[in-house]
Amino acid sequence: DSGVTQTPKHLITATGQRVTLRCSPRSGDLSVYWYQQSLDQGLQFLIQYYNGEERAKGNILERFSAQQFPDLHSELNLSSLELGDSALYFCASSERAGEITDTQYFGPGTRLTVL
Amino acid sequence: AQSVAQPEDQVNVAEGNPLTVKCTYSVSGNPYLFWYVQYPNRGLQFLLKYITGDNLVKGSYGFEAEFNKSQTSFHLKKPSALVSDSALYFCAVRAFGAGNMLTFGGGTRLMVKP
Repeated sequence: DSGVTQTPKHLITATGQRVTLRCSPRSGDLSVYWYQQSLDQGLQFLIQYYNGEERAKGNILERFSAQQFPDLHSELNLSSLELGDSALYFCASSERAGEITDTQYFGPGTRLTVL
Repeated sequence: AQSVAQPEDQVNVAEGNPLTVKCTYSVSGNPYLFWYVQYPNRGLQFLLKYITGDNLVKGSYGFEAEFNKSQTSFHLKKPSALVSDSALYFCAVRAFGAGNMLTFGGGTRLMVKP
């Protein structure tokens, strides 16, 4: 168990809907990262927050947004959902701002199914 | 741009035999390399990382990896495979100039047969 928690474990919704995925980092970690894992795209970095501020952006769609709250938990909001958004969404955390040597610890993921 | 290649989709090995999961990378500058393992219905678990120093890195569960700069490789190894090692393995790389982004390979499924 990495200490990173994600809720819910599974989410089934319809196209056009909006969902929110939640992540709590390991105790003491200040950075949160979001990744998408799909069969065709593999594991892709979406976005990073450090101590409440956006730190780095990857291949995140404009329909997706995230935030990190004062208690350091993070939420990933996915809107206008499409079938292709069906994937496993991982949250990871690290101790610092994401120094190049930092290890990221991953949560168990949220499996999103869009019907 | 940085990239990682895991040339084998699947590796099959008999229990008790040594295993190798291959990884090659492409970066500008010094690479910082990581291995993760994903068990079914679980998140990615950190195994080991290479930052600098000794080219042989030891990690969790008896795994080790060898960094080879000239061949731009970072192969994962274990002297004696266990059935419980069967999982999906990911190699990842980071480099200066690419932000904080971890770039992952496509993954290699390891099947250890009794």
